[in-house]
Amino acid sequence: QQPVQSPQAVILREGEDAVINCSSSKALYSVHWYRQKHGEAPVFLMILLKGGEQKGHDKISASFNEKKQQSSLYLTASQLSYSGTYFCGTVSGGNQFYFGTGTSLTVIP
Amino acid sequence: KAGVTQTPRYLIKTRGQQVTLSCSPISGHRSVSWYQQTPGQGLQFLFEYFSETQRNKGNFPGRFSGRQFSNSRSEMNVSTLELGDSALYLCASQGPSGGYTDTQYFGPGTRLTVL
Repeated sequence: QQPVQSPQAVILREGEDAVINCSSSKALYSVHWYRQKHGEAPVFLMILLKGGEQKGHDKISASFNEKKQQSSLYLTASQLSYSGTYFCGTVSGGNQFYFGTGTSLTVIP
Repeated sequence: KAGVTQTPRYLIKTRGQQVTLSCSPISGHRSVSWYQQTPGQGLQFLFEYFSETQRNKGNFPGRFSGRQFSNSRSEMNVSTLELGDSALYLCASQGPSGGYTDTQYFGPGTRLTVL
């Protein structure tokens, strides 16, 4: 039931782009994306709802393929501040919320 | 608007003891969820309370329990602590509807160490 994220870890140079994927075995109502920096609480980035609505961050984009039960987070022109662990969270039937396995992203100068 | 607050921030307990953690959500939010975060298991959902009722529950043993008060503040209790309960416990508030179309805002967490 826990969504699987890929890649597990990625290292980027400033200015490079990255894509983080989240895949679930269950039909999804919504997908949430969070970033957590070491020693801090997760911070909301974006929600993607069934039907296409999105709420979130101006500089980050994401997609939600309802049929494939997958979501992708697109980080463009990465900055040092983008470093952290990214989690997707999925909501499926029964209003159950599950966090994904996490993706560690490191941006180097 | 004040954020989500959790108390205490750090706790050290010994095996067999019990512990109570507290979470105050953002004003106006009626939903509070609790999560356990460990290096090995990642972020695991414990339970969610909405308007004083447990609405969802994760796959944790009955030693983990919670409640929510009329002012939306929530407490989580772990009885008969085990070494494996050492973790960062996070609470998140959602609102105002409390459904998962709303953003979850996380508190800073309580770091529990069981010796």
